[in-house]
Amino acid sequence: GAVVSQHPSRVICKSGTSVKIECRSLDFQATTMFWYRQFPKQSLMLMATSNEGSKATYEQGVEKDKFLINHASLTLSTLTVTSAHPEDSSFYICSANPSGVTYEQYFGPGTRLTVT
Amino acid sequence: AQSVSQHNHHVILSEAASLELGCNYSYGGTVNLFWYVQYPGQHLQLLLKYFSGDPLVKGIKGFEAEFIKSKFSFNLRKPSVQWSDTAEYFCAVNAYSSASKIIFGSGTRLSIRP
Repeated sequence: GAVVSQHPSRVICKSGTSVKIECRSLDFQATTMFWYRQFPKQSLMLMATSNEGSKATYEQGVEKDKFLINHASLTLSTLTVTSAHPEDSSFYICSANPSGVTYEQYFGPGTRLTVT
Repeated sequence: AQSVSQHNHHVILSEAASLELGCNYSYGGTVNLFWYVQYPGQHLQLLLKYFSGDPLVKGIKGFEAEFIKSKFSFNLRKPSVQWSDTAEYFCAVNAYSSASKIIFGSGTRLSIRP
């Protein structure tokens, strides 16, 4: 149980375009999901907390207009990187917190974004 | 603000050696503590966690960690490592005041020589 999927696993896009990444909790409901960014050989940096039915909470320094987050249902959160640039190339990881269970997070496999 | 420090960036050991990875956090209030592992090409998995109670917690695959509140530490240990333990290890902390938000340390890469 407690499986989180991400789609796509890899995406290559051209500079200036937008790309959407999906995060799904497959066998549980998640009121809260998190989006992280991981640079090569570095740790996970929390970008934002995604709350079902309300606006996401962004960490300091993360541009909310660039990284659009939508959490429209209890099993799906999406991250849209708008007007992508090469410096946005990274590994994006989501995690989901089961509804009613605090402090637990289950991680997705990540999405490798390359902006050319 | 919370922060997590992992002082060992890369540890190289031979099989059967004992392992201890350091983790210190900075936060004055009540915390939950975690160790996650990321095997090559795989996603993050929870090794063990501490919420309350016995400060010595046991996790999967023979790992354990000890919470020492006075030292703000949560070091990871394993008495005898295997080649399959080669991975990246992340210490993480959640402050009670920040709901389920988890902050990660910089990670320690563990390489095991067969």
